[in-house]
Amino acid sequence: QSVLTQPPSVSAAPGQKVTISCSGSASNLGNFYVSWYQRLPGAAPKLLIYNNNKRPSGIPDRFSGSRSGTSATLDITGLQTGDEADYYCGTWDSSLSGVVFGGGTKVTVL
Amino acid sequence: QVQLQESGQGLVKPSETLSLTCTVSGASISSGGHFWGWVRQRPGKGLEWIGYIYYTGTSYYNPSLKSRVSISVDPSENEFSLNVRSVTAEDTAIYYCARRFEQLPANYFDYWGRGAVVTVSS
Repeated sequence: QSVLTQPPSVSAAPGQKVTISCSGSASNLGNFYVSWYQRLPGAAPKLLIYNNNKRPSGIPDRFSGSRSGTSATLDITGLQTGDEADYYCGTWDSSLSGVVFGGGTKVTVL
Repeated sequence: QVQLQESGQGLVKPSETLSLTCTVSGASISSGGHFWGWVRQRPGKGLEWIGYIYYTGTSYYNPSLKSRVSISVDPSENEFSLNVRSVTAEDTAIYYCARRFEQLPANYFDYWGRGAVVTVSS
């Protein structure tokens, strides 16, 4: 049972948009910034979004993030087959004194 | 470009100690400003934070693993290591090393290694 809650899977057709939610509490998302990671099959996780909505260099603007209250979302627009991967949210939790992640969301391009 | 590479045992017997090393290139551990950590993914599960360390040796661990885990750093070799004692099949996982930025509320892992597959089995 992960501290941050994500839907197990989302799907959409190529070119469409998917939204992945990440739900937490006051001790984590309510007070600390969220980051998002993409793990392509057989590859290492890659930072997609940091500080709620910032993209590292090289990450296309099709990926965007936001945080409000104790929840966060990752939007992927213009969905491509290469976006099929597992996506994870993460942050700090002050009650647990540690890093917490969501359980991951599998994105499928129909 | 910052790169991290895990190395170590792929197969560990139950009750023994799992040991992995992460070698860093493209950045100096001793320059400060970042922590250096470990994250694992057990089969069918999500990401699980294990712990991280600063170049000074100050370390932080997941409370659920703290009693069995230790992380050390060797700035002269630009590498850091993970030991997990008394392993069981539940420790079978892909182990990733990663660089961490943390100035709360900002916190994230910005560079990751490709991962080391570790199986615990007799």
